[in-house]
Amino acid sequence: ETGVTQSPTHLIKTRGQQVTLRCSSQSGHNTVSWYQQALGQGPQFIFQYYREEENGRGNFPPRFSGLQFPNYSSELNVNALELDDSALYLCASSLRGVAGPSRLETQYFGPGTRLLVL
Amino acid sequence: RKEVEQDPGPFNVPEGATVAFNCTYSNSASQSFFWYRQDCRKEPKLLMSVYSSGNEDGRFTAQLNRASQYISLLIRDSKLSDSATYLCVVNVGNTPLVFGKGTRLSVIA
Repeated sequence: ETGVTQSPTHLIKTRGQQVTLRCSSQSGHNTVSWYQQALGQGPQFIFQYYREEENGRGNFPPRFSGLQFPNYSSELNVNALELDDSALYLCASSLRGVAGPSRLETQYFGPGTRLLVL
Repeated sequence: RKEVEQDPGPFNVPEGATVAFNCTYSNSASQSFFWYRQDCRKEPKLLMSVYSSGNEDGRFTAQLNRASQYISLLIRDSKLSDSATYLCVVNVGNTPLVFGKGTRLSVIA
């Protein structure tokens, strides 16, 4: 296993509600990336956090927001849920050196949170 | 044009067969290349990185052709346990991982 944990494992919400998903990174990792994987698709990048700051964002609306804490764990918040938000939400942790991003930076994925919006 | 394109499959092959997956990417500045494996209802797991010189790990061989912007994965002597979705992934420096849709493989006894 990668040592990356996510909670909850499954969640059912209704349209308009808000949801918070949590991710604990692998020990020693300082960077967390969040991805959304719809059924039959590859994961799509939502955003990345490094040293408690957002460090890159994909093509997702502002109702998708996040946080990273001093222990490098992270939250993904989604407001005003829509039916199309139903997906597997994956977080991935990695170790970034002081020199910045590197092509050698390997991301390790958690088991994901499966969100269903009714 | 999608950034990473893969044949979605499914590929249904008998045990012991050799199967090849192809992937093309659109960004010529891509620097890192990977194959991830994803089992049904599980997270993606890194199968192997892909290097310019090509690399092999047991029954798995990955090739990269930068000129054609093409990546391949060859699986020899397929096992039932190889049944999964194989995701082609590229990375441009400090950008996030960009995934293809995946190619589904079913190895049949």
